[in-house]
Amino acid sequence: DAGITQSPRYKITETGRQVTLMCHQTWSHSYMFWYRQDLGHGLRLIYYSAAADITDKGEVPDGYVVSRSKTENFPLTLESATRSQTSVYFCASSEREVTDTQYFGPGTRLTVL
Amino acid sequence: GQNIDQPTEMTATEGAIVQINCTYQTSGFNGLFWYQQHAGEAPTFLSYNVLDGLEEKGRFSSFLSRSKGYSYLLLKELQMKDSASYLCAALDSNYQLIWGAGTKLIIKP
Repeated sequence: DAGITQSPRYKITETGRQVTLMCHQTWSHSYMFWYRQDLGHGLRLIYYSAAADITDKGEVPDGYVVSRSKTENFPLTLESATRSQTSVYFCASSEREVTDTQYFGPGTRLTVL
Repeated sequence: GQNIDQPTEMTATEGAIVQINCTYQTSGFNGLFWYQQHAGEAPTFLSYNVLDGLEEKGRFSSFLSRSKGYSYLLLKELQMKDSASYLCAALDSNYQLIWGAGTKLIIKP
C-alpha cells in the first residue's frame, strides 16, 4: 500500500524556471491539497481539489497552477519560480469530506536560487 | 483576520505530563485538529474535536472549549519519541484548515 507519494523529494532550480511537483495517492481519496511550510509559519494552503477536474484556490495561490485530470494525481506547477517560493511543499489527501483526516505525503524540499 | 496561537517551544521531562495550548480565532468553526510532525517528516493526525470536552486516546488527550476558542493537547507518560512539533489547526466556515505555526516539544531525560 503505497499511500501518498511525492516527487521529487528534493529540487534545486533557478529563478524564472518552470517546476512541477508531483503528487500521487493510491487510496482513491476525493480531496487533495497542496501546502507550503516555511519556518515560523503554519502550513499554508496553496490549492485544493474536491474531485477530478475540480480545483480551488487556497490562502496563497499566486504563482502556482494545479490540475487534476485523474483522481490519483495532483501536480503543482510553479510557472516562473521565484526565491520566495523556496519552501517545503506537502501534498495531502482526505477520503470524502474536508473534515476527514488529512494524510500527508513525505514533502518536497524546493530551493530556488 | 483568522489566527491560531500556540507556544513556539516547550520543554518537558521523560515520564512527565505536558499540556500544549492552542487558541483560535476563525470566521466560523467546524472543528479542531491536532497533528504531530517529527523533524524532516510529514504531519500525522492525532485528534479531531468538534464538540466541547475531552477526548482521550491512550497517552494523548485533546480538549476543546468552543465558547473560549481554546483547545489543548495533553501528553502523558512522555517518551523521548514524543519530541516533535505539534500543530493545531481549525476548520473555518468555508471548511478550510487554518494552521498554527506549531509547538516544538523537547523531551529531556
